[in-house]
Amino acid sequence: AQKVTQAQTEISVVEKEDVTLDCVYETRDTTYYLFWYKQPPSGELVFLIRRNSFDEQNEISGRYSWNFQKSTSSFNFTITASQVVDSAVYFCALSEARPGTASKLTFGTGTRLQVTL
Amino acid sequence: DAGVIQSPRHEVTEMGQEVTLRCKPISGHDYLFWYRQTMMRGLELLIYFNNNVPIDDSGMPEDRFSAKMPNASFSTLKIQPSEPRDSAVYFCASRRRQGDTGELFFGEGSRLTVL
Repeated sequence: AQKVTQAQTEISVVEKEDVTLDCVYETRDTTYYLFWYKQPPSGELVFLIRRNSFDEQNEISGRYSWNFQKSTSSFNFTITASQVVDSAVYFCALSEARPGTASKLTFGTGTRLQVTL
Repeated sequence: DAGVIQSPRHEVTEMGQEVTLRCKPISGHDYLFWYRQTMMRGLELLIYFNNNVPIDDSGMPEDRFSAKMPNASFSTLKIQPSEPRDSAVYFCASRRRQGDTGELFFGEGSRLTVL
């Protein structure tokens, strides 16, 4: 069975601090996808990134960066120079990638990030 | 392009009443998913459809829940009779066919409160 663990329930930082959100996953699949979604206070779920299991290159997008380490089954998310607008709940998710499947997402429980002035 | 559209955004009803949530997926998407979000259980997959056919409904909590997709542009999730423990935010999501990015596009959710 697939499982995603986000051990940090809530994180509070001051604006401009860097913050890392942890994600650890479990799967028996050799091929899978990992995702991060953001849920701002307005409630919608916003896609941030998708990563294939065979691509361990780290990725940077502006102030966001992702560190995928297959050896430790982790897919951590770092926000550099955090801003108040980054305040949200962040979900890590895992999906199978076998042919013929619908790639159902299994979500972690989320990490609530609060960025204050 | 329009995203996934859900209605109603908010629903308050009394225990025992029937509730119908609606979803219009993104045009051209072959898969449609219904998720439920609660504080206690987080985001749970209830059911998903491929080309309007229900594929996996193992997440549907009980017989009071049913979902249909009569055509490629419309799906409903019905709860009858509703109970207070059904109070949650229900999300509809869609994605393109297998082999694409795998990204799910979510609607804004329907917040259900059962009194």
